[in-house]
Amino acid sequence: DAGVIQSPRHEVTEMGQEVTLRCKPISGHDYLFWYRQTMMRGLELLIYFNNNVPIDDSGMPEDRFSAKMPNASFSTLKIQPSEPRDSAVYFCASSPDVTTDQETQYFGPGTRLLVL
Amino acid sequence: AQTVTQSQPEMSVQEAETVTLSCTYDTSESDYYLFWYKQPPSRQMILVIRQEAYKQQNATENRFSVNFQKAAKSFSLKISDSQLGDAAMYFCAYSRPQGAQKLVFGQGTRLTINP
Repeated sequence: DAGVIQSPRHEVTEMGQEVTLRCKPISGHDYLFWYRQTMMRGLELLIYFNNNVPIDDSGMPEDRFSAKMPNASFSTLKIQPSEPRDSAVYFCASSPDVTTDQETQYFGPGTRLLVL
Repeated sequence: AQTVTQSQPEMSVQEAETVTLSCTYDTSESDYYLFWYKQPPSRQMILVIRQEAYKQQNATENRFSVNFQKAAKSFSLKISDSQLGDAAMYFCAYSRPQGAQKLVFGQGTRLTINP
C-alpha cells in the first residue's frame, strides 16, 4: 500500500491568500484525521472524519479553517485567509475500522506551510 | 482531559547502548491505548510500538520495548542496541478506546545517537 499521501509537501504563501492542503488516506481506512504541529503547541488534532462525516472539529482554530471529505479517498483542509501564525506542519492520518487495529493511526509525510 | 508528559526534552546515548525514554499520562479512564511514535528529520510520523491498557504484558517490537506501569500511569520506551538510524524525536501518545479517537501527544524527546 502507498500509505497516506499528502500534497503539497511544502507550501509558501503570502498572508491573506487561500491555502488548500490535500490528503489521500490508505485505501479501506474509515477514519481520517488532520493534525497540526507547531513549536509552541506541539501536535494537536484539528478535525477527524468517520466514513466521510466530520465527527469532532473542536480543534479547528477558527472560521478561517475548513475541512471536507467528499469521498473515502480524498480530504482537503483549507485556510482562507491565511495568516503567519498558521505556519506549521499539517499532518493527515488514517485509521482502519477493524477491531484489532482501530486505534492505530498511520500518518502521511506532512505539509510544511509557511505564511509570509 | 487527558494529558501526556514527557519530562526529558533531550536524551543522548552511545551507539549500541540502551536508552530509556520516559512518559507519564493522566486519565480517569480504565481502558485506553498508548503509543510511541518516532519523527526523524524527514518529519514523517512513524509508529514504533503500541500498548493496550488492559494487557498486563509489556509490548515489544524487535529492539523496542515498553515498561507499562498502569497504577503509576507511566509508559517508558526502551531502545536496545541503539543505532544511528534511531536518532529522532520520539512522541508518546494516548488515545481512548471505543473506536478511533484523537491522539493526545506529549511534548516529545529528541534522541541523539553518538557514534
